[in-house]
Formats: sequence, structure tokens, C-alpha cells
Amino acid sequence: EAGVAQSPRYKIIEKRQSVAFWCNPISGHATLYWYQQILGQGPKLLIQFQNNGVVDDSQLPKDRFSAERLKGVDSTLKIQPAKLEDSAVYLCASSRRTSGVGETQYFGPGTRLLVL
Amino acid sequence: SQELEQSPQSLIVQEGKNLTINCTSSKTLYGLYWYKQKYGEGLIFLMMLQKGGEEKSHEKITAKLDEKKQQSSLHITASQPSHAGIYLCGAGTSFMNYGGATNKLIFGTGTLLAVQP
Repeated sequence: EAGVAQSPRYKIIEKRQSVAFWCNPISGHATLYWYQQILGQGPKLLIQFQNNGVVDDSQLPKDRFSAERLKGVDSTLKIQPAKLEDSAVYLCASSRRTSGVGETQYFGPGTRLLVL
Repeated sequence: SQELEQSPQSLIVQEGKNLTINCTSSKTLYGLYWYKQKYGEGLIFLMMLQKGGEEKSHEKITAKLDEKKQQSSLHITASQPSHAGIYLCGAGTSFMNYGGATNKLIFGTGTLLAVQP
């Protein structure tokens, strides 16, 4: 079974530029998550989708971050414009379903973003 | 809101030694996940615990959840260089939204483990 795929693996941009990340979850997984992991910290949930609908985006900085999951499969996360403090690893994860605390999330390799 | 504290923050051990990493929650744990992360890579799922007193093992790694379900430990026996990395505990939390009950993970800050050959 193929794992969660993410691209690009690395990205360097200047502040005020825009950037987009792509994620393809494990086949058949209904729920997709985007996390931000700043160096030295644990991952923080940005947005959660179930199929193509948003379940939780309470920690997404909506003035600059946006995400979509068209057709309930792959997803893109965009930052526009980027700030220095957006430098982090952006992790995508998926799980079979979203209800209940027993659902394991499987993570992709992440995209490492550096904003100069 | 729930918070997870991990200790120690970092750990250096000699190959072959045993070690323990702790994860303490500010609230009752209803689902506790352990993940491992290597530099530049994503999180690898290790184990999930739900019941008070539960213990699970995989190869040389054992995870336990205490009876009160507020603390978990991860124990590595006879450590090897392949065990090096960042170990993260995550708490499954359930919340209500317009779609009904759903869950998300709150993570600790991680424990950096180095194993010296």
C-alpha cells in the first residue's frame, strides 16, 4: 500500500512570495490533515478535511493560508503572502475516517519551507 | 485545552543501553499515540494506547499507559543507532463540529534521542 505522498520536499522563497504544497493521501482514506511543525516543536493542526469538506480550520491563519481538497482525494495548501515565521515543515496526514479517537493518522514525508 | 509535556527533551545513550521517555497530559488521555520522526522525514506510527494500564510492544520498544490515563512511557531495550530520532506523543481528542463528533491529535514537543555506537 502506497503511503502519503507530498511535494515538493523542499522549498525556499522570499517573504511576500506565494507557495503551494501538494498532498496525495493513502487510497481510500476519507480524512486528510495538514500540520505545521516549527523547529523544536510538535506538529500543530492547521486544517482537517473529511472527503472534500472542511471539518476543522480553527488554527489556520486564513488571511494568508488557504487549502482545498477537490474531489475528496488530493489536496493543496497555499500560503500567500509568506512571512518569515512561516518557515517550518508542512506535514500531510490521512486516516480512514475521522470519527473517534482510535483512528490512526499516517503521515507523509513533509515539505520543508524556508522563507528568507 | 489539553497539553502534553514530554521528558526528557533530549537524550544521549550508549548503544545497548535501555532508556525511557515520558509523556504527561494535563487531561485524561482517551487515545495516546507514539510516533517517531527522523530528520527531514515524516512521522512514523509506532503504537496507540487507549485503556488504562495498557501495554504494547513492538520489537524492542514498549509503550505503557498508566491506570489514571494521564501519563504514558516509551521504553527502548538495548538501544541501537537505528532508534535515533525524535519521539513524539500525541493525544487523540474528540470534539463536536457541524458534521458531528470528530477527532484530532495534540502533540507534545518531542524527545530527541541520539544513540552513540
